[in-house]
Amino acid sequence: EVQLVESGGGLVQPGGSLRLSCVASGFNFDQRAMHWVRQAPEKGLEWVAGITWSSGGVGYADSVEGRFTISRDNAKNSLYLQMDSLRPEDSALYHCGKGSNSYVSGSPIDSWGQGTLVTVSS
Amino acid sequence: SALTQPPSASGSPGQSVTISCTGPSIDFGGYNYVSWYQHHPGKAPKLIIYDVSKRPSGVPDRLSGSKSGNTASLTVSGLQPEDEADYYCSSFAGGNTYVFGTGTRVTVL
Repeated sequence: EVQLVESGGGLVQPGGSLRLSCVASGFNFDQRAMHWVRQAPEKGLEWVAGITWSSGGVGYADSVEGRFTISRDNAKNSLYLQMDSLRPEDSALYHCGKGSNSYVSGSPIDSWGQGTLVTVSS
Repeated sequence: SALTQPPSASGSPGQSVTISCTGPSIDFGGYNYVSWYQHHPGKAPKLIIYDVSKRPSGVPDRLSGSKSGNTASLTVSGLQPEDEADYYCSSFAGGNTYVFGTGTRVTVL
């Protein structure tokens, strides 16, 4: 059974940083692209970032480009999201998601974690 | 920017509802990388359609997808109470990026 467990969320002041983690199990993590998706309160889903199986390719939403960094450690079956220069509008539930193949393109999210909550407020 | 979906749709049990999803990335590069997700609040979203019209294992054939130009569509036939949820389209937008739609809340009357 695929399991994705996120952690690292919390309350942070504007301008601060957080590092989210996602530990995966139940599938060959090193063979799948991975994604981060967020949902702000009472808002829709927003794709945040994606990374290929080898970390050779990454992509970001315009809203986080230059502030967030996605990475992975295949030896630890772990996905990360380093979030810097946080803004109140970054407040959301952050989900990690397993891509359906090795590359970000043509790799929709076929399994989702339950999410970790990030609140950016002074 | 986000793909455009109607904010709401509704139908009685047994009827059909169709949700549209419009944006330039729907037709990006000739790819058919459009997917649809069903989201019951408080639960993880679920992939229900990928590559425009393919269904993952376990998804009933009452759910179907299509695409024409820069508009994709999801049809839910034979509406059932458990179909009441939020539905999001998503498409590959190039450069290792994706975009989601604005979301549609489906109500079963």
